[in-house]
Amino acid sequence: DTAVSQTPKYLVTQMGNDKSIKCEQNLGHDTMYWYKQDSKKFLKIMFSYNNKELIINETVPNRFSPKSPDKAHLNLHINSLELGDSAVYFCASRGGSGRANEQFFGPGTRLTVL
Amino acid sequence: AQSVTQPDIHITVSEGASLELRCNYSYGATPYLFWYVQSPGQGLQLLLKYFSGDTLVQGIKGFEAEFKRSQSSFNLRKPSVHWSDAAEYFCAVGLSSGGYQKVTFGTGTKLQVIP
Repeated sequence: DTAVSQTPKYLVTQMGNDKSIKCEQNLGHDTMYWYKQDSKKFLKIMFSYNNKELIINETVPNRFSPKSPDKAHLNLHINSLELGDSAVYFCASRGGSGRANEQFFGPGTRLTVL
Repeated sequence: AQSVTQPDIHITVSEGASLELRCNYSYGATPYLFWYVQSPGQGLQLLLKYFSGDTLVQGIKGFEAEFKRSQSSFNLRKPSVHWSDAAEYFCAVGLSSGGYQKVTFGTGTKLQVIP
């Protein structure tokens, strides 16, 4: 069973379009994250939700809007896509309140903006 | 602010040789540290973590890492590399703030394994 899943795996679209990426976790975790990995493999956190509440927002453009309909889902909607949005987007989840509890990552969504 | 440095962008080792990937962190308090591995086209998988206690931690796939506070380092090691270890390796440091965790990742080290 896949612990953290993302759809779609690949997304190719034109500049200016609006697209969404979905993430679901079946681990019962309270906290979920979105990361962006650029072409140089640099991994940067974008958002984090805990029990459907936004707790981390790392100066991401307003064109990016996360939505958490329930604890198990954290979707990422992107408006007016730009060339610079091309990257691999990873969803992750984390359970419990222990400081050292690790995050579990999804397989990633490769977004290509043409 | 916390930060993580992985000085080696790319490392090539022969299969069967030993491996050490370097990681240095900057963080005011006692850190908790992670090593993740990313195989091509895959997400990140946790190899091991440190938060307290024994400074030598064992992980999956035969990896270990040693926390050295005096050197602000958390280097990853494996005595004998297998071809399947070829991947990107990320060191990360975690910060707990208000009960929530924020993790900062290093820039990664790409490991190539040659026969």
